[in-house]
Amino acid sequence: QSVLTQPPSVSGAPGQRVTISCTGSSSNIGAGYDVHWYQQLPGTAPKLLIYGNSNRPSGVPDRFSGSKSGTSASLAITGLQAEDEADYYCQSYDSSLSGPWVFGGGTKLTVL
Amino acid sequence: EVQLVESGGGLVKPGGSLRLSCAASGFTFSSYSMNWVRQAPGKGLEWVSSISSSSSYIYYADSVKGRFTISRDNAKNSLYLQMNSLRAEDTAVYYCARPQYSSSSPYMDVWGKGTTVTVSS
Repeated sequence: QSVLTQPPSVSGAPGQRVTISCTGSSSNIGAGYDVHWYQQLPGTAPKLLIYGNSNRPSGVPDRFSGSKSGTSASLAITGLQAEDEADYYCQSYDSSLSGPWVFGGGTKLTVL
Repeated sequence: EVQLVESGGGLVKPGGSLRLSCAASGFTFSSYSMNWVRQAPGKGLEWVSSISSSSSYIYYADSVKGRFTISRDNAKNSLYLQMNSLRAEDTAVYYCARPQYSSSSPYMDVWGKGTTVTVSS
């Protein structure tokens, strides 16, 4: 059971907009800790996609955006492309646990 | 180019040991904390262990505490994970990753390609 909750799967047609939610609690996202997102293409290592809730590392298209409110965060992907088909993970910090790194269970994005 | 390259994975019997290595290049390794993260087959990401730049601070996930030991050699730009008393549930791809602390919660901006550990009789 992951500390952060994500939907197991989402899907969308090319060109559409999809969102992936990440729900936490008062000891992590709700405590004000930033949320980060990773993209994992099939058979590859995770790649940082969004950091600090809404910041994109150099090279990440602006089709990807992040937001945070209360105890939840969201990743939005607009202008969906076939190459976006991947697993997406949110990550934050939890003050109630012995380790600082907590992940969501991951969301599989299928481009129809 | 900033790069992390893991090695040392393989097949090991339950109760056995394995030592993973991660070679860093393209950045000042000695200035950064480092992490190990694993991913069991078909499962999500799980943080395993962290070590500060000078090895002064070390943290472990409860699932590996007492069995795994993280260490580093800054002169060799290398990170290690000594894994003892291995269990079937330790079967995973193990990634080394570089954390950043520019946010209210840390994140990992560089990841290696991973090395596969399989624990099976």
